[in-house]
Amino acid sequence: TAGITQAPTSQILAAGRSMTLRCTQDMRHNAMYWYRQDLGLGLRLIHYSNTAGTTGKGEVPDGYSVSRANTDDFPLTLASAVPSQTSVYFCASSESEGQGDTEAFFGQGTRLTVV
Amino acid sequence: QKEVEQDPGPLSVPEGAIVSLNCTYSNSAFQYFMWYRQYSRKGPELLMYTYSSGNKEDGRFTAQVDKSSKYISLFIRDSQPSDSATYLCAWWGTSYGKLTFGQGTILTVHP
Repeated sequence: TAGITQAPTSQILAAGRSMTLRCTQDMRHNAMYWYRQDLGLGLRLIHYSNTAGTTGKGEVPDGYSVSRANTDDFPLTLASAVPSQTSVYFCASSESEGQGDTEAFFGQGTRLTVV
Repeated sequence: QKEVEQDPGPLSVPEGAIVSLNCTYSNSAFQYFMWYRQYSRKGPELLMYTYSSGNKEDGRFTAQVDKSSKYISLFIRDSQPSDSATYLCAWWGTSYGKLTFGQGTILTVHP
């Protein structure tokens, strides 16, 4: 079972350009999440989706947008990249909206450098 | 103020040492607490979870919660080089109702 697949693995992007980070899961999980991980700040939630067709804002949503057209895919788009968006991005999913001991599963991450 | 605080380390110990990793949290409503482990250039993976106060043991790992002091601990006995990773405390928090992480502690176990 592949679990969660993210693409690309890494990318160097010129400031001002747009980019979509792809995320696909094969576990039929209802909930999906995008986090960014920065040294000293840990993992911070960007956007989430509790089910196909719905999305919500997390802790750091500015400059990012998401869509959830179906259960399996949850792309993250940077409309006009800025250097502060240099980070490692993780996509995650859980069987249902998280509570208690619900386990979240993570992809391998996308390393993005904005220059 | 973040809902949880975790010492980022880094922490370096010799093989065989007992390791103590800690988090403090502010919201007394939290009941389930989790520890995720993240190897270099990988995504986090759930290591173990514990409910409310008390201990939970899984092999060389023990998770402990002290609700009176709002303190979460992960103990690793007989630490191995393969335990070298970043350890993150986590819970399904009230902020955005989503999985919230501490800053993570970088652990290195050297032979």
